[in-house]
Parts: sequence; C-alpha cells; structure tokens
Amino acid sequence: GAGVSQSPRYKVTKRGQDVALRCDPISGHVSLYWYRQALGQGPEFLTYFNYEAQQDKSGLPNDRFSAERPEGSISTLTIQRTEQRDSAMYRCASSLWTGAINEQYFGPGTRLTVT
Amino acid sequence: GIQVEQSPPDLILQEGANSTLRCNFSDSVNNLQWFHQNPWGQLINLFYIPSGTKQNGRLSATTVATERYSLLYISSSQTTDSGVYFCAVVPGAGNNRKLIWGLGTSLAVNP
Repeated sequence: GAGVSQSPRYKVTKRGQDVALRCDPISGHVSLYWYRQALGQGPEFLTYFNYEAQQDKSGLPNDRFSAERPEGSISTLTIQRTEQRDSAMYRCASSLWTGAINEQYFGPGTRLTVT
Repeated sequence: GIQVEQSPPDLILQEGANSTLRCNFSDSVNNLQWFHQNPWGQLINLFYIPSGTKQNGRLSATTVATERYSLLYISSSQTTDSGVYFCAVVPGAGNNRKLIWGLGTSLAVNP
C-alpha cells in the first residue's frame, strides 16, 4: 500500500478482555515499530522488528503486552487482560533499513479505550 | 538516557505570522525527525534532518548536531498549520533505532 495502515482505527473494550491491534507497513520496509501515546504526551516506544525478528522489546510495559511479525510484514500487538490504564493511541511506524538512514513513517493509529 | 526538550510548549499566532520552534537534545543523535500531529491525530512527517538545513515550501528546518539543537521555521502561517509539532531523535550511542520524543509544541493559528 501507499502508506502504513492500522486496524481497527478505534477499539472500545471492557476491562479484562484481550485485544489485537494490527499494523501493515509500507511495502518493502524492513523495520516496524510500535509506540503508545497518552493524551497530551509524545509517543513512547514499545518494541520494534527487523524482518520477523523482534530486536528490542524494552518498552513493553509488562507481560500482558506482546507483539509478533511472523512473516516479516504485518505485525500484531496483543494486550491481554486489558486495564483502564492501557487506554491510549497505539501507533505503528515502518522504515527502510539502509544503515544510517532510518526515517520512520507512521500509520493513523488505533485509539484504544478500555471501559 | 537522552533528553529532548521542545520550546515553546504553546504558541498562538495570527494567520500570516512567522514562527520558530526549537528542539534541544542532551546527547549525540543518529536521526532527528520533525512531525506535525494534526487535529485529527495523524502524525505527518515534516523533515528527516540529523544535520544541516532543509526546506519544503513554507517550512524549513536546521539541525546543528555539534550544538545539539534543531529549529523548525514556519513562515506565513495558515490555520491548517495548527496542531502539535514533535521533535524526535534516535540516540547516537548503541545500535538502537527507537525514537525518543519531546513533549511537543502546541500551535494554534487564528484566522
């Protein structure tokens, strides 16, 4: 596709339910990133992949959060047993991996609300 | 870890005015990007500028890596420029690629 796409765009779920957020990167982009943005704040890093390998998951807040990218393209961020504090905008980005140049392009985000 | 500070935090302009937004960072960087978050929440890439100067229409940016700051210039502002402007960097140390973000400058352009 022309840009990074994410689905769903909006998700309302009840506390305790699991949610899966999907990201489809720009075609040919090797690196894929997940960020979380609380209202009024800048985004915060969660995790990133090169191809299918998860390179850094230091930003995942706890073991309820996991991510995968099994075929090196589409990625899924899963939150188990959601809590109200998980409510935020979840943003996905992708980039070419060409050594020094690493411009990241963002999708429209998924607005998650946990009630 | 690296600190990214943006100023001013808030800015109100009349349409047609010019402005300068600043981003200071506390350590060397491999990557610096400026983004515009529009009122609908979309993050739009403005510049990839770890060093040097770039221009795109009414916007331009300069990064002085040795002095650890970047500036974003907006000329002849329009109401569509409203939103939050973020500076984000990838620290130079190590092999990580994650963007570290400032808190943003919230810009309102009035007609």
